[in-house]
Amino acid sequence: EAGVAQSPRYKIIEKRQSVAFWCNPISGHATLYWYQQILGQGPKLLIQFQNNGVVDDSQLPKDRFSAERLKGVDSTLKIQPAKLEDSAVYLCASSSGLADNEQFFGPGTRLTVL
Amino acid sequence: RKEVEQDPGPFNVPEGATVAFNCTYSNSASQSFFWYRQDCRKEPKLLMSVYSSGNEDGRFTAQLNRASQYISLLIRDSKLSDSATYLCVVNSDNYGQNFVFGPGTRLSVLP
Repeated sequence: EAGVAQSPRYKIIEKRQSVAFWCNPISGHATLYWYQQILGQGPKLLIQFQNNGVVDDSQLPKDRFSAERLKGVDSTLKIQPAKLEDSAVYLCASSSGLADNEQFFGPGTRLTVL
Repeated sequence: RKEVEQDPGPFNVPEGATVAFNCTYSNSASQSFFWYRQDCRKEPKLLMSVYSSGNEDGRFTAQLNRASQYISLLIRDSKLSDSATYLCVVNSDNYGQNFVFGPGTRLSVLP
């Protein structure tokens, strides 16, 4: 079974530039998550989708971050404009949608903002 | 108070040692609990779910105390390959699935 795919794996940009990340979850997984993991910290949920609807985006900085999952499959996360403090690993995860079900993570995108 | 807190670590232990990690959570309505393992520069992977009755998987034992809002992970006979960061994860279930990760506890098993 193919895992969660993410691209790019690494991205270096200057502050105030824009960047987009892509995620393709495990086939059939209804729930998709985007997390931000800053070095030395645990992952922090940015947004959660159930199919193509947003379940929770309470921690998404909406003035600069946006995400979509238009067809209920793959998803993009965008930052515009980027700030230095956005430097982190952006992890995408998916699960089948049941409360006790395991989340499967992609390899992440390591973003460096200069 | 943070929603999920863990021992700050790092833990440096010799091979063969027994080590225990603690985790506390603030939301008494939390429904499900997990331990994830994260290797350096890799993504988190599920180590084990934590059940009310406690559960064991080989050298790993997880315990849950709902009254104290406390979760533990015990690793017996530590191996070099156990070196990683261990993340406590709580599903607060406010929206059906709301997974909150703790900051993690780093373990280094030394030869």
